[in-house]
Amino acid sequence: DADVTQTPRNRITKTGKRIMLECSQTKGHDRMYWYRQDPGLGLRLIYYSFDVKDINKGEISDGYSVSRQAQAKFSLSLESAIPNQTALYFCATSDDGTGAGGYTFGSGTRLTVV
Amino acid sequence: RKEVEQDPGPFNVPEGATVAFNCTYSNSASQSFFWYRQDCRKEPKLLMSVYSSGNEDGRFTAQLNRASQYISLLIRDSKLSDSATYLCAVNNNYGQNFVFGPGTRLSVLP
Repeated sequence: DADVTQTPRNRITKTGKRIMLECSQTKGHDRMYWYRQDPGLGLRLIYYSFDVKDINKGEISDGYSVSRQAQAKFSLSLESAIPNQTALYFCATSDDGTGAGGYTFGSGTRLTVV
Repeated sequence: RKEVEQDPGPFNVPEGATVAFNCTYSNSASQSFFWYRQDCRKEPKLLMSVYSSGNEDGRFTAQLNRASQYISLLIRDSKLSDSATYLCAVNNNYGQNFVFGPGTRLSVLP
């Protein structure tokens, strides 16, 4: 099994629908992150969490919300999806603030909003 | 100026060539630096950390130049399997997360 698992792998949804992307990890890391990737723009941080009680906005949090249900689970919600949220979404984990081990990424969710 | 910038690429090189990528960063307080490799439609995977003294892993060498605020990745004896997009990552000034460059695409040609 993968260390960081994202579901679904692919999703097509209509404008205005609510959608949730799930992420779970078996690495035992405290820190979890949601990024989106768009061609030419690279990875941009949406939200991050350092433990179950901690939620922080990233660079592009508008239109998104998150929930850290447990140390191993971090979900991303789009309350009312819009077409410019079409992107590849990655969840990532890291061990501590030193970043010595870098990030471990999930395999991504390809979201299309029509 | 963007926080992290990379050579736009793409780099098309023949097998066996040596190729180098640069990544510049704007935050002089950044302390941690990484190179990631990303294959098409896949997740980024950690390639190597970048240490102040420079570090080498087989055919790959990473270097940090703090004075000029850039990191570099050198690939020697390129293989077809090295074809991918290479992303640099730099931690922000609070050390809370990493900012990624847009990536440089490398194609190694037979």
